[in-house]
Amino acid sequence: SAVISQKPSRDICQRGTSLTIQCQVDSQVTMMFWYRQQPGQSLTLIATANQGSEATYESGFVIDKFPISRPNLTFSTLTVSNMSPEDSSIYLCSAWDRTPSGANVLTFGAGSRLTVL
Amino acid sequence: KNQVEQSPQSLIILEGKNCTLQCNYTVSPFSNLRWYKQDTGRGPVSLTIMTFSENTKSNGRYTATLDADTKQSSLHITASQLSDSASYICVVSADRGSTLGRLYFGRGTQLTVWP
Repeated sequence: SAVISQKPSRDICQRGTSLTIQCQVDSQVTMMFWYRQQPGQSLTLIATANQGSEATYESGFVIDKFPISRPNLTFSTLTVSNMSPEDSSIYLCSAWDRTPSGANVLTFGAGSRLTVL
Repeated sequence: KNQVEQSPQSLIILEGKNCTLQCNYTVSPFSNLRWYKQDTGRGPVSLTIMTFSENTKSNGRYTATLDADTKQSSLHITASQLSDSASYICVVSADRGSTLGRLYFGRGTQLTVWP
C-alpha cells in the first residue's frame, strides 16, 4: 500500500507567522487531500489538491489562509498562513490507495501537530 | 443532514476483555462504511471497509458489522491487547456514482486498554 510521509511531524509557532507542511507519497496519485483534526472533533477536509490545477477548498477554508501547492503527482504542500492559536491542530495529508482486493482505501500520513502560541 | 455519530466517546477496559464500539449514521445515499484505527501521534489506518450488501467483516481480532436498514455499525474487539489503545473512527462514504464518494467522519471512540 502507499506510504505517505509528512514533515514536520510537529512544530511550535508564534502567532502571525506561517508554516508549510510537506507531504510525499511513494507512488503517483491523482488527488491528494488535506485534513484538519482538532481535539475531540472529527476530521475536517480542508481542500483537495490536484496536479496542474488550483486546489479545491471546502466551505470555511480559503486559499489565502491555506495555500496549497501540487507540483507533481507525488508531492504537495499546505501552508498555514498568519497563524493564530485557533490554528493549533493536527494536519493530515491523505490519498486514495487500492488494497490487494481492489477496494479503495484512504491512506493517511502520520500528521503534523501544530501548536501556535 | 449527513452525520456520523459514535459511542461511547471513550472507553476503558482491562487487557483480555472484549468490547464493542458503535456507529450510527444518517448519510444518504450510502456507499460504504469504514473503520479506522488511529494510534496517538499517527495517522488513521484502515481496519475494515463494508459495502451495502455486507453484514460482517473480520480483520483478525476486529469484527465489524453493518445494518444498512437501521444505519448502524459496530466494531467488536476480541481479547483486547494493550496495543489496541487508540481512537477508532467510523467513516461513511456517500455515493456519488463512483467508489470515491464524499466521506463523513465520526469523532471517534478513544479506547484505553489497561494491563
